[in-house]
Amino acid sequence: QKEVEQNSGPLSVPEGAIASLNCTYSDRGSQSFFWYRQYSGKSPELIMSIYSNGDKEDGRFTAQLNKASQYVSLLIRDSQPSDSATYLCAVIGPRSTGRRALTFGSGTRLQVQP
Amino acid sequence: EAGVVQSPRYKIIEKKQPVAFWCNPISGHNTLYWYLQNLGQGPELLIRYENEEAVDDSQLPKDRFSAERLKGVDSTLKIQPAELGDSAVYLCASSWTSGGATGELFFGEGSRLTVL
Repeated sequence: QKEVEQNSGPLSVPEGAIASLNCTYSDRGSQSFFWYRQYSGKSPELIMSIYSNGDKEDGRFTAQLNKASQYVSLLIRDSQPSDSATYLCAVIGPRSTGRRALTFGSGTRLQVQP
Repeated sequence: EAGVVQSPRYKIIEKKQPVAFWCNPISGHNTLYWYLQNLGQGPELLIRYENEEAVDDSQLPKDRFSAERLKGVDSTLKIQPAELGDSAVYLCASSWTSGGATGELFFGEGSRLTVL
């Protein structure tokens, strides 16, 4: 079982719709959760972080965390063609593992159709 | 403020040849990471430095890969000898980490390696 799992997509949504991206993680003790966006041929950039259960909103982006179910999601409202990219879910594991760097999922490719 | 700088951006070598990648992190960032990214996959950690100390190198294939971060600033990642399967993008990232871990990484543009 991979530590962080994402559907590779592509997820295709029309412009103006809500895009919903999901991620599950295997280590129940994981503490911190992040979403990175990676345009084709570019490097990842951080767009959202979430540390506690519930929702966190930043502009058109909402991150959702449910530690009991071990899933993280990212909602993008009013999707724009410029949102077309690969979205990487990343997790920092528990202190007990000693692995204190981000573990990334394989990413979900989002396509926003004009 | 300058971002994370990596060089070279592209490198093509024949198998069994050596190759080295260089990274200059954001000024003031004490933590430096080397990640490997294969096509269609997420980045995978190779090594993490806090200042000049390698605090996590469990994923670094030590038979052919080596890294150093002299004086806790610049870092070099070396592969010797390179194999066909090493073809990938090598990403350097940096962050400010104080007494714990952070997921707020800043990535360089990456070094794309092709091994023929």
